[in-house]
This record gives sequence, structure tokens and C-alpha cells, in this order.
Amino acid sequence: DAGVIQSPRHEVTEMGQEVTLRCKPISGHNSLFWYRQTMMRGLELLIYFNNNVPIDDSGMPEDRFSAKMPNASFSTLKIQPSEPRDSAVYFCASSLLTGGGGGYTFGSGTRLTVV
Amino acid sequence: GESVGLHLPTLSVQEGDNSIINCAYSNSASDYFIWYKQESGKGPQFIIDIRSNMDKRQGQRVTVLLNKTVKHLSLQIAATQPGDSAVYFCAENRGGGADGLTFGKGTHLIIQP
Repeated sequence: DAGVIQSPRHEVTEMGQEVTLRCKPISGHNSLFWYRQTMMRGLELLIYFNNNVPIDDSGMPEDRFSAKMPNASFSTLKIQPSEPRDSAVYFCASSLLTGGGGGYTFGSGTRLTVV
Repeated sequence: GESVGLHLPTLSVQEGDNSIINCAYSNSASDYFIWYKQESGKGPQFIIDIRSNMDKRQGQRVTVLLNKTVKHLSLQIAATQPGDSAVYFCAENRGGGADGLTFGKGTHLIIQP
């Protein structure tokens, strides 16, 4: 298995533009998580899905952020409009079991820079 | 340990020595804990996990200790190698249900030759 695949690896965009980050979880995993990592706040959980259904989006910072999981093999995180303070590394992770057990497998992340 | 703001705690050890990285957690309801390793430019990588009904768990060159009384977790790495240089995070699952993991701020492990 190729692991969790995220695209793009790097994204530079201007303030106000829409940004879409993509994630392909490991085949067979039924939980998917979006995290954001910054130096100031570390790794923060934004939202997670179980069986393609959003379970907890309380970590999404603002209404400008939205996430979808139309099927078991694909998820998107969208920021519209983007702001400089959204600059961070965004990670997607997937797991087979909810509530732990073997940990979560993370993708390589998308480094977002909003100028 | 835990960091504040921009400054990660740093642990510097000689190659071949043992390393101990510590982590404090706050929620006594947490029942599952994981250690992750993150190398520069990569995502966090699973190292080892432990459930709250255990005090100790061993893997290859790594041991995790859990002290629920003082809500403390530690990761011991035996005979550290240059490839062990990374930032190490502890993570906890709160409530035992279908929650995402909550991560600590991380500790930067530096291996000196």
C-alpha cells in the first residue's frame, strides 16, 4: 500500500483565494482525520470522519474551513477565502479502528503558504 | 516535557546512549496513548502505543511506561542511533470513544556522534 496520499505537497496562494487540499486514505481504513500543524499550536485536530460521515468538526477554526468525504477513498479540506494566518502544514491521517489501536497513519502533509 | 509557544524542549544524547523522553497528560479519562516520531518534512510516524490497563509495553529498542497516578508517559529508546534524531510527540485518546488523538507539543531529540 502506498500509504496515505496527500496533494499537493506545497501550495502557495494569495490571500482571498480558495484552497483545496486532497487526501486518499489507506484502502480499507474507515476513519479519516485532518490535522493542522504550526509552530505555535502544534498538531491540532480539525475534523474527523467515520465511514465517510463527519463526526466531530469542533476543531475547524472558522466557517471558511470545510471538509468533505464523498467516498471511502477520497477527502478534501477547503479554505475559502484563505488568509495568511491559515499558513501551516495540513496532515491527513487514516486508521482502521476508531478510538485507537495501532495508531493512525499520517500522510506527508501539504505545506500551505498564504501571502 | 511540554513546550510553550515556539520553543520545543530539546534532549541531546550521545550516539549509543539510552534516551528518555517524557510527557505529561491532563485528562484522567484518557485510555489510549501513542508515541509518534516526526522527521523534518514528513508526517508523524507511529512508534508504539499503550492502553491504560497496562503500565509498560516494549517494542524493538523502545519501551513506553505509563504512570496513571501522576498522569505521566515516557518513551525510552535504547542505544540511540543517528536515525533517531527527530521530534517525538505523545498523543492521547480521550474518553475511549471514536475521538481523534490529542497531541502534546513535542520534544526534539538530537543525537550527537
